[in-house]
Amino acid sequence: GENVEQHPSTLSVQEGDSAVIKCTYSDSASNYFPWYKQELGKGPQLIIDIRSNVGEKKDQRIAVTLNKTAKHFSLHITETQPEDSAVYFCAARKAGTALIFGKGTTLSVSS
Amino acid sequence: EPEVTQTPSHQVTQMGQEVILRCVPISNHLYFYWYRQILGQKVEFLVSFYNNEISEKSEIFDDQFSVERPDGSNFTLKIRSTKLEDSAMYFCASSEAGHQGYEQYFGPGTRLTVT
Repeated sequence: GENVEQHPSTLSVQEGDSAVIKCTYSDSASNYFPWYKQELGKGPQLIIDIRSNVGEKKDQRIAVTLNKTAKHFSLHITETQPEDSAVYFCAARKAGTALIFGKGTTLSVSS
Repeated sequence: EPEVTQTPSHQVTQMGQEVILRCVPISNHLYFYWYRQILGQKVEFLVSFYNNEISEKSEIFDDQFSVERPDGSNFTLKIRSTKLEDSAMYFCASSEAGHQGYEQYFGPGTRLTVT
């Protein structure tokens, strides 16, 4: 089955810096890669996703890149703000199956 | 904006008791899911449900678990005889059907504490 590895487990940046979180997946049939943000005491919130027919997708300060050959995808957050502090999860799935999550990255943005 | 809701937010139960966790998925969604998250760990898939039947389940989803859509709006997870290791956050999620229906939207979760 699918296995998703996520790095780093913790990431501390200064406000205004960029943050990058990386994930690898094992199943080449996976074709959908969402990123979720989880704040303390809340459920995961979908922030951006990418499908396998696209190499990069941007939404304001966040972007996701996908390298199908290497089976890895990354989340990029630019101009970080304290409110970006949260746990970020990557996930992967193929059509009709469940999301498989990475272990999460705790992002801390200090002002 | 439509959202997934879950009740209760926190459930405390004694080992061996049955619990029912409730979810109201987004109204036009047809696929429903339960996930759990043990404290400090990753989110793990339990089960998916479509057209009134289970479409996929993980090895975690053993005979003590069951799911039901008792009416047109609720989706429930029942744990028949709770164990200490069932203590976790349980998240319900839903998504639209069809080729474009990949996005899963999560509820706020129910924290289950088994004592």
